[in-house]
Amino acid sequence: EAGVAQSPRYKIIEKRQSVAFWCNPISGHATLYWYQQILGQGPKLLIQFQNNGVVDDSQLPKDRFSAERLKGVDSTLKIQPAKLEDSAVYLCASSPGQGALSGYTFGSGTRLTVV
Amino acid sequence: GQQLNQSPQSMFIQEGEDVSMNCTSSSIFNTWLWYKQDPGEGPVLLIALYKAGELTSNGRLTAQFGITRKDSFLNISASIPSDVGIYFCAGMNYGGSQGNLIFGKGTKLSVKP
Repeated sequence: EAGVAQSPRYKIIEKRQSVAFWCNPISGHATLYWYQQILGQGPKLLIQFQNNGVVDDSQLPKDRFSAERLKGVDSTLKIQPAKLEDSAVYLCASSPGQGALSGYTFGSGTRLTVV
Repeated sequence: GQQLNQSPQSMFIQEGEDVSMNCTSSSIFNTWLWYKQDPGEGPVLLIALYKAGELTSNGRLTAQFGITRKDSFLNISASIPSDVGIYFCAGMNYGGSQGNLIFGKGTKLSVKP
């Protein structure tokens, strides 16, 4: 079974530029999560989708971050404009359903550096 | 918001040693999880605990769900070099409408020079 695919693996941008990350979850997984992991910390949830609807985006900085999951499969996370403090690894995870622990799988992440 | 305090922040191991780390929460979870993260990879689930007081093993790893539902510990017996990495505890309210994980800050396991 293919895992959660994320791209790009690495991205370096200047502050105030925009950037987008892409995630392809495990086939058939209805729930998709985006986490932000700042160096030296554990991942923190940014947004959770159930199919193509948003379940929880309470910790998403909506003035600069946006995410979508059109058609309930792939998802993109965008930052515009980026700030220095956005430097982090952005992890995508998917699971068969909300609260479903079996099969909850993380991708390898996209490491963003904002200079 | 909910916070998890994980300790120690880092530790050095010598092959063959036993390792212990723990996690406490300011609020209750009905599921505790332990993950390992290698450099450049996402977290990988090691053990999941679903009931207060539960003690679960996975090979050389043993974890317990605290009776108060606000803490958990992970033990690694007879450590080997591939145990090196960062270990995270996470809490989750399994089966609810959310499913998001609340993570601790991690315990970094390194090999003694």
